[in-house]
Amino acid sequence: QKEVEQNSGPLSVPEGAIASLNCTYSDRGSQSFFWYRQYSGKSPELIMFIYSNGDKEDGRFTAQLNKASQYVSLLIRDSQPSDSATYLCAVNTESNFGNEKLTFGTGTRLTIIP
Amino acid sequence: DVKVTQSSRYLVKRTGEKVFLECVQDMDHENMFWYRQDPGLGLRLIYFSYDVKMKEKGDIPEGYSVSREKKERFSLILESASTNQTSMYLCASSSRQGAWEKLFFGSGTQLSVL
Repeated sequence: QKEVEQNSGPLSVPEGAIASLNCTYSDRGSQSFFWYRQYSGKSPELIMFIYSNGDKEDGRFTAQLNKASQYVSLLIRDSQPSDSATYLCAVNTESNFGNEKLTFGTGTRLTIIP
Repeated sequence: DVKVTQSSRYLVKRTGEKVFLECVQDMDHENMFWYRQDPGLGLRLIYFSYDVKMKEKGDIPEGYSVSREKKERFSLILESASTNQTSMYLCASSSRQGAWEKLFFGSGTQLSVL
């Protein structure tokens, strides 16, 4: 079983609509959850992080966390063509020696249709 | 402006060659990471380091080694390059362990092994 799972997409959303991206994780001990955005040919950049159950909002972005269901999601409101990118879910997991490391999902490719 | 610099953007090597990928960060970060990114497989952790001369294997360390002699520099070594190591290699750093801070990524090295 993969540690962090995402639907690879592509996910197509009309401009102005809400894009919903989902991620599940297997390690119940994980405490920190991140969403990175990666434009084609570029490096990932952090857009949201969430540590507590519930919702966290930042502008047009909302991260949602449900630890009981081991589920984290990202909502993008009023989607813009500039939101077209691959979105990577990342979760902290524990290494064999007790150090923390960040494990990424395979990413969801999002396309906003004008 | 914070910076993670990878020595080469594109690299072409032959099978069996010893390959060095260099990464330097100017943010005085304790933590440094090497990932590889392949289509459909996402970002996979190769090795990481939380301190000078300290290293730990990630999820796919086979065929790789690392060196961290100075805090700002983290090198990835392919002892004998093989074609299945053709990939995009991303270096990242972050400021502390335990309470996760943002990962800063370099611009990546696209390695082709012929």
